[in-house]
Amino acid sequence: QVVLTQSPSASASLGASVKLTCTLSSGHSNYAIAWHQQQPEKGPRYLMKLNSDGSHTRGGGIPDRFSGSSSGAERYLTISSLQSEDEADYYCQTWGTGINVVFGGGTKLTVL
Amino acid sequence: EVQLLESGGGLVQPAGSLRLSCAASGFTFSTYAMSWVRQAPGKGLEWVSGISISGRDTYYADSVKGRFTISRDSSKNTLYLQMNSLRAEDTAVYYCAKPNSGSFYNPFDYWGQGTLVTVSS
Repeated sequence: QVVLTQSPSASASLGASVKLTCTLSSGHSNYAIAWHQQQPEKGPRYLMKLNSDGSHTRGGGIPDRFSGSSSGAERYLTISSLQSEDEADYYCQTWGTGINVVFGGGTKLTVL
Repeated sequence: EVQLLESGGGLVQPAGSLRLSCAASGFTFSTYAMSWVRQAPGKGLEWVSGISISGRDTYYADSVKGRFTISRDSSKNTLYLQMNSLRAEDTAVYYCAKPNSGSFYNPFDYWGQGTLVTVSS
């Protein structure tokens, strides 16, 4: 079974950049993931698909302030030029035969 | 514009049943697998169930296997989740989600707004 590990919280200042991490469990470092944003009291929104080689494809309407990268079993979401509306929960997701669909526990991002 | 509109949530007693619906529009529903994902109050996302494009293959989280049944009616562009033997721990907002490509094994690129299911006496 694949496990996705995310830090429960992160914070950064308005206008700064922040890098969130999603770590794949041992033996699953080749899995692609997706990043989703969930603003308070709203449904999730797809941000991007991120491959193991760091290539990524953003969802429709997602600004290029959101970017992804990969290193080994770690998948990153970098948000630059932080805005107040970026304050949200961020979830990673993976999928595959035998594992179906798995989500990380989510990271709550606070914009200071 | 892709839209997913869930309905059918509400208050139900433990051991009761409920059927959720998800009306899809803005894409060719019959060519996409679909899933249900839930979120308990104050908690993270939990995948619940998925169904293949044809409807022949269904997938369930261990936590709902044997109690929930997913189905689809492509003539009505609608996804369903029949929930039986409900427990307090099934209390959550239930979202339907569409993958970014037809098959089940893909990231979700659209989500509904969710419908709240509360299991309580």
